[in-house]
Amino acid sequence: AQSVTQLDSQVPVFEEAPVELRCNYSSSVSVYLFWYVQYPNQGLQLLLKYLSGSTLVKGINGFEAEFNKSQTSFHLRKPSVHISDTAEYFCAVSEEKTSYDKVIFGPGTSLSVIP
Amino acid sequence: DAGITQSPRYKITETGRQVTLMCHQTWSHSYMFWYRQDLGHGLRLIYYSAAADITDKGEVPDGYVVSRSKTENFPLTLESATRSQTSVYFCASSLTGGNSPLHFGNGTRLTVT
Repeated sequence: AQSVTQLDSQVPVFEEAPVELRCNYSSSVSVYLFWYVQYPNQGLQLLLKYLSGSTLVKGINGFEAEFNKSQTSFHLRKPSVHISDTAEYFCAVSEEKTSYDKVIFGPGTSLSVIP
Repeated sequence: DAGITQSPRYKITETGRQVTLMCHQTWSHSYMFWYRQDLGHGLRLIYYSAAADITDKGEVPDGYVVSRSKTENFPLTLESATRSQTSVYFCASSLTGGNSPLHFGNGTRLTVT
């Protein structure tokens, strides 16, 4: 069965600095990968997704992520963060063909942008 | 406006009571999901539905019941609420399942006393 690990539960970063949020997954088959963002008292919103093709995926709000199959990783990056990026970020994975209807989420990373 | 609506937004109930959380979507998405969010656990899947009258268990189904008589509605019922079911519950929908993004409601914060 697939699983998702987000090694950093909290990441503080100064405004305008770059940030990387790490995500690793385990699966024996091909996967689809997602990053979602959750602002306080709201549901999750899709940031970006990897289904196939180019391993570098660009999303909304200047975020991007790179799929690395050999390292089973899908790290999220932004070159310069803003105060408004303060939120909870979730990596999620679903497997092709098996468990097709189920998306498994990581425990989340809380990003705090410091003025 | 199109979207996914959850009600109530907040609910306090007592141990042993039956509680139903409502979820309604206007996109005509085939798939609908119920997740619970707890600190340190992220989101865990309770139940999902691939279409009307088709439901299946997720990771943590015990103590919950779902139904889907219409495509747009997917209520979640706690038959006899327990304190361990205190959580934030999110309903979500997607067009085709695992390879399409999830669209989430704003959640229901449930407290069981």
